[in-house]
Amino acid sequence: NAGVIQTPRHKVTGKGQEATLWCEPISGHSAVFWYRQTIVQGLEFLTYFRNQAPIDDSGMPKERFSAQMPNQSHSTLKIQSTQPQDSAVYLCASSTAPYEQYFGPGTRLTVL
Amino acid sequence: QQQVRQSPQSLTVWEGGTTVLTCSYEDSTFNYFPWYQQFPGEGPALLISILSVSDKKEDGRFTTFFNKREKKLSLHIIDSQPGDSATYFCAASASSGSWQLIFGSGTQLTVMP
Repeated sequence: NAGVIQTPRHKVTGKGQEATLWCEPISGHSAVFWYRQTIVQGLEFLTYFRNQAPIDDSGMPKERFSAQMPNQSHSTLKIQSTQPQDSAVYLCASSTAPYEQYFGPGTRLTVL
Repeated sequence: QQQVRQSPQSLTVWEGGTTVLTCSYEDSTFNYFPWYQQFPGEGPALLISILSVSDKKEDGRFTTFFNKREKKLSLHIIDSQPGDSATYFCAASASSGSWQLIFGSGTQLTVMP
């Protein structure tokens, strides 16, 4: 069974540009989570979907960040007008239940 | 506040020794506590987890202990190997609410040969 797939693995954007990150959860997993990892803030929850419905976006910055899950096989995290402080590793995870979240390799976003 | 505290920040042990990492938490609604292992350039990998109804779970060289009264958990690695050198994160969540994981700050473990 393939694990969580995230593309691209690395993305470099200029300040003010848009970045779209993709996640393909493990087949059959009903929940998809997005986290952000930085040296300073550590691992932070952003948002998650259950059966494609948005459940909790309490960690999402109110402006410029949005996430969607148009079908059960992929989710996207979009950052508009990227800023240097958005530079981080963005991690996607999936699970079948409240427990055992499995993470992808992450997308390293660098905003110049 | 939802917070998970982890210590130590970094740890060096000799090959064959025992590693002990600890975490504490405040939110009494937390009932699920996983430990993740992360190597540079990779995502966190689920190592072992425990539910609040248990006080110990073992998987090979890895054992996690849970103390509900003191709101503490620990990860013990026996016969530590150089290949165990990684960053370890404890986390917590409450299955009755949001399934989001609240992570500790991580422990960078180095096992010297």
